[in-house]
Amino acid sequence: NAGVMQNPRHLVRRRGQEARLRCSPMKGHSHVYWYRQLPEEGLKFMVYLQKENIIDESGMPKERFSAEFPKEGPSILRIQQVVRGDSAAYFCASSMSRNTGELFFGEGSRLTVL
Amino acid sequence: RKEVEQDPGPFNVPEGATVAFNCTYSNSASQSFFWYRQDCRKEPKLLMSVYSSGNEDGRFTAQLNRASQYISLLIRDSKLSDSATYLCVVRRDQGAQKLVFGQGTRLTINP
Repeated sequence: NAGVMQNPRHLVRRRGQEARLRCSPMKGHSHVYWYRQLPEEGLKFMVYLQKENIIDESGMPKERFSAEFPKEGPSILRIQQVVRGDSAAYFCASSMSRNTGELFFGEGSRLTVL
Repeated sequence: RKEVEQDPGPFNVPEGATVAFNCTYSNSASQSFFWYRQDCRKEPKLLMSVYSSGNEDGRFTAQLNRASQYISLLIRDSKLSDSATYLCVVRRDQGAQKLVFGQGTRLTINP
């Protein structure tokens, strides 16, 4: 029973390039969340999606960041024109229902911007 | 002010000791409370939910004080494997799915 799968686990980009992070939720889960964790800091909520819909994007930076969760395929977090400050661990989590405190997290994607 | 505040530590305690963490939250409308555990460079995992009446899971006891807006976690007879960062987590209301995470308290259990 596979858990939340994220890839790539590690990604290195130069300033100005694009980063695409993928997340496949646990089987049977239709709710997906993206969180960002900067070094020595806590997890910061970015966006909450259900299939084909963005439910809450209050934590997403206004520019360069976008997320989607298409009907088929994984959820994608896309960062355009990356800057050094985007270097962080990006965690995806999924849940079976909306009103639950139990989120199942993937192992994270660690982005390094040179 | 952060919505969820924790002492980042680190806490260094000997094996077998009892250790307690506190966490405060600023939004009085918060409805649900949890403790997550995160090992170094790993993903967070749910440790336990926190109920107003207090709840216990083996060596772990969680308490909620709504009036003071703080949450506590007590670990008895600590083991080396308890070394981790403990994250205090709050959800504002039933309609809001977003979980708000504290910075985490780092705990190291020494042999």
